[in-house]
Amino acid sequence: RKEVEQDPGPFNVPEGATVAFNCTYSNSASQSFFWYRQDCRKEPKLLMSVYSSGNEDGRFTAQLNRASQYISLLIRDSKLSDSATYLCVVTGETGRRALTFGSGTRLQVQP
Amino acid sequence: ETGVTQSPTHLIKTRGQQVTLRCSSQSGHNTVSWYQQALGQGPQFIFQYYREEENGRGNFPPRFSGLQFPNYSSELNVNALELDDSALYLCASTPGTGLYNEQFFGPGTRLTVL
Repeated sequence: RKEVEQDPGPFNVPEGATVAFNCTYSNSASQSFFWYRQDCRKEPKLLMSVYSSGNEDGRFTAQLNRASQYISLLIRDSKLSDSATYLCVVTGETGRRALTFGSGTRLQVQP
Repeated sequence: ETGVTQSPTHLIKTRGQQVTLRCSSQSGHNTVSWYQQALGQGPQFIFQYYREEENGRGNFPPRFSGLQFPNYSSELNVNALELDDSALYLCASTPGTGLYNEQFFGPGTRLTVL
């Protein structure tokens, strides 16, 4: 079983749509949680950190459920520029700052 | 731009050869991590260096080794290259010790093993 599991997609949505990504993680000792965004053939970049209380940044909302070991990302009013791969990331046992990535969910926003 | 640089950008090697990849971390960042990203997968943690000492290692064989220098730049060495080593190799640097300190990734080195 993978440590971090995501639906690979692709998710094809029209501009303006709301899209939700889900992620589960297997290590209950995971301490911090993130969503990264990766454009084609580029490096991953931090989209947002995910806190137990949930957090929002503009059109993006992230939630964490530690009991279910579940993380979500909601994107409202999708833009063409949101097209990318979204990576669910947790810190694992190999080191407090070592990131464990899911395989990513690809989003394609259509005009 | 993150301020993290990697060299070379692309590299082609043959099976059995050795390769050294380099990473220059963002100013003031004392922790560098290396990741391997195969096509269609998320990055996989190779190892991490903190103040020149290895500080955690992922599930990679000993032929993957590294160094961190006093200026916090870093090298990844891979011996006895195998076809499956073909991937994008990313380094990431981070400041401080906080759990939520952002890791800044370099643009990566794309390694092809023939």
